[in-house]
Amino acid sequence: SQTIHQWPATLVQPVGSPLSLECTVEGTSNPNLYWYRQAAGRGLQLLFYSVGIGQISSEVPQNLSASRPQDRQFILSSKKLLLSDSGFYLCAWILQGYGYTFGSGTRLTVV
Amino acid sequence: GIQVEQSPPDLILQEGANSTLRCNFSDSVNNLQWFHQNPWGQLINLFYIPSGTKQNGRLSATTVATERYSLLYISSSQTTDSGVYFCAVFYNQGGKLIFGQGTELSVKP
Repeated sequence: SQTIHQWPATLVQPVGSPLSLECTVEGTSNPNLYWYRQAAGRGLQLLFYSVGIGQISSEVPQNLSASRPQDRQFILSSKKLLLSDSGFYLCAWILQGYGYTFGSGTRLTVV
Repeated sequence: GIQVEQSPPDLILQEGANSTLRCNFSDSVNNLQWFHQNPWGQLINLFYIPSGTKQNGRLSATTVATERYSLLYISSSQTTDSGVYFCAVFYNQGGKLIFGQGTELSVKP
């Protein structure tokens, strides 16, 4: 069966420190992968998506970057975190006929 | 870009009551999903529904794509139904999912 894994679940990082969040999927090959952020309040904003290894599309200019070093691995990074990077980060993939499935998310607090 | 509007923004129900959540979208879309975000933040896929009606237990959804809206029905609500319900539409290339702002449902015992 297809599953999606995200870690860590929670993270507290100081301003100016680097960030690396990892997302992996199992049970499929060449999935479309997505990073979303949910800030305080409710709205979910698409940050990056990838249709294949090394292919990254950025939706919103910001302090973050994404990479896809392997088919089923998607990484969200920052060289220097800002307070405004705090939020709930969700990885997702799309399965034909079933739509999006989201990981359990990482709650990031920048202090 | 496309606008996705959900109503009402907040809803308080007594356990056992029924409710209807609405999602309007401003442009033609390829597909639509309803999600429930539980108190731990997990987004649970409820329905993947481009058109027509689907039912899953006490929940059902109807999408009328030609009129650009979708409805989520919750019958005989339970306290475990509490949380935020999101409508999201598939739009444009790359299968991008655009979210509404959600309806926060609180079911009281």
